[in-house]
Amino acid sequence: KNEVEQSPQNLTAQEGEFITINCSYSVGISALHWLQQHPGGGIVSLFMLSSGKKKHGRLIATINIQEKHSSLHITASHPRDSAVYICAVPMYSGGGADGLTFGKGTHLIIQP
Amino acid sequence: GAGVSQTPSNKVTEKGKYVELRCDPISGHTALYWYRQSLGQGPEFLIYFQGTGAADDSGLPNDRFFAVRPEGSVSTLKIQRTERGDSAVYLCASSAYRSAGGADTQYFGPGTRLTVL
Repeated sequence: KNEVEQSPQNLTAQEGEFITINCSYSVGISALHWLQQHPGGGIVSLFMLSSGKKKHGRLIATINIQEKHSSLHITASHPRDSAVYICAVPMYSGGGADGLTFGKGTHLIIQP
Repeated sequence: GAGVSQTPSNKVTEKGKYVELRCDPISGHTALYWYRQSLGQGPEFLIYFQGTGAADDSGLPNDRFFAVRPEGSVSTLKIQRTERGDSAVYLCASSAYRSAGGADTQYFGPGTRLTVL
């Protein structure tokens, strides 16, 4: 069964800074998910990636399958980026439609 | 189209009572998931349906928890003899089915906040 470690747990930065959140997992996967959760809000899927890199606006996600590691980057951070960012992977090796195992999340605060 | 919806949004009950939580997935999504999120923690898997059948119920904490999806669409999570430790946000997600080994994006509902007094 997969286990997920995410870091940092909390991150406070100034507006405009480049942000990096890291995620490591223990078992080979078909795809990794990055999710965003605003306080009191629902969970939104940001990325699902199985190799290389994906970019959406100021958000970039990378994954290294061999090292079982992924990073989420935010360029030119803005206060509206303040949220909890969660990494999630399938519970079982090679599991595609399986349920997800989640990291504990990174609580990001961007100060103006 | 409409996203995943969950009702009620909030449920307060007394210890020992029975509760039902409902999830309406995105139309056409055959996979449906229930997760539970405690304060300050990431979500934890409870159960996964593929169509009408529970493909994996290994996350249900004990036999007080049960979920059904009789027609392969709406699902109900049922909790008997609720305990204070059951208090959490219960999240539902759905995704389109792909062939074995293929992953797809999971779309999450807003959750039901359950409080057991």
